[in-house]
Amino acid sequence: QSALTQPPSASGSPGQSVTISCTGTSSDVGGYDFVSWYQQNPGKAPKIMIYEVNKRPSGVPDRFSGSKSGNTASLTVSGLQAEDEADYYCSSYAGSNWVFGGGTKLTVL
Amino acid sequence: QSQLQESGPGLVKPSETLSLTCTVSGGSMSNSAYYWGWIRQAPGKGLEWIGSIYYSGNTYYNPSLKSRVTVSVDTSKNQFSLKLRSVTAADTADYYCARHLLPPSNWFDPWGQGTRVTVSS
Repeated sequence: QSALTQPPSASGSPGQSVTISCTGTSSDVGGYDFVSWYQQNPGKAPKIMIYEVNKRPSGVPDRFSGSKSGNTASLTVSGLQAEDEADYYCSSYAGSNWVFGGGTKLTVL
Repeated sequence: QSQLQESGPGLVKPSETLSLTCTVSGGSMSNSAYYWGWIRQAPGKGLEWIGSIYYSGNTYYNPSLKSRVTVSVDTSKNQFSLKLRSVTAADTADYYCARHLLPPSNWFDPWGQGTRVTVSS
C-alpha cells in the first residue's frame, strides 16, 4: 500500500492556527474512522496526539483537534506555541494493516 | 504503565537477517486488550508500519514486507521479536516497538525509544 500524503512543511506564528492535511484513499482514510496523528520531536519516539479521527488522549492540549472529510484527514493546531514545533505524522487503518503519512514539519515562526 | 525497550545488533550485513527484540515491562503481554507492533523510520523519512502480533501469536504484516518479515512472541519472557530477512541498505532505519489497541485501532502507545540499525558491509 502507498503511504498517506502529507505536505512536507507547514508554518505559523505564535497564537495562529495551522492545519495539516493527510490524503489517502477509500481503502484507508476514507474507509475507516481510525485515523490518528503523532507528534515527533528530534531524536524522540512519536507521541500520539489524536486517535479515531478527533479524539484526544488524556494530557494532550485541546489546542489539537482532528477531522476528516472523505479521503482526507486534517490536524489543526490552534493558538500555536513554540513547543508545537515538531514533525507530525498521520496514520490510518487500511484493512488488516496500517499506513502512515510521510510527515509534515511544523515550524513556529 | 507499560514500558518498551528495543534491543539487538546495530549493524547488519547486506543479505543477512536483522533480528530485534522488544522487552515489555510494567505489564503483561498476555493482556487481551493489546497488539504489539514494529514500526521503522529510515533516516530523514516517514514512519512505516512493519507488523504486529497478539499474545496468542496472531500476526498482521505490511504487504510490502510480508515476504521477508517474521514477528514472534514469547509471553514467558514478556518479549516479542522481529526478523527481517535479506536486508539491503534500504532497510537502514530506526526501529521502534509499540503497543496498540486491538484492530482496527491505530492508537500506538507507548513506544520504545527506538534503535538504529545500519545495513552495511
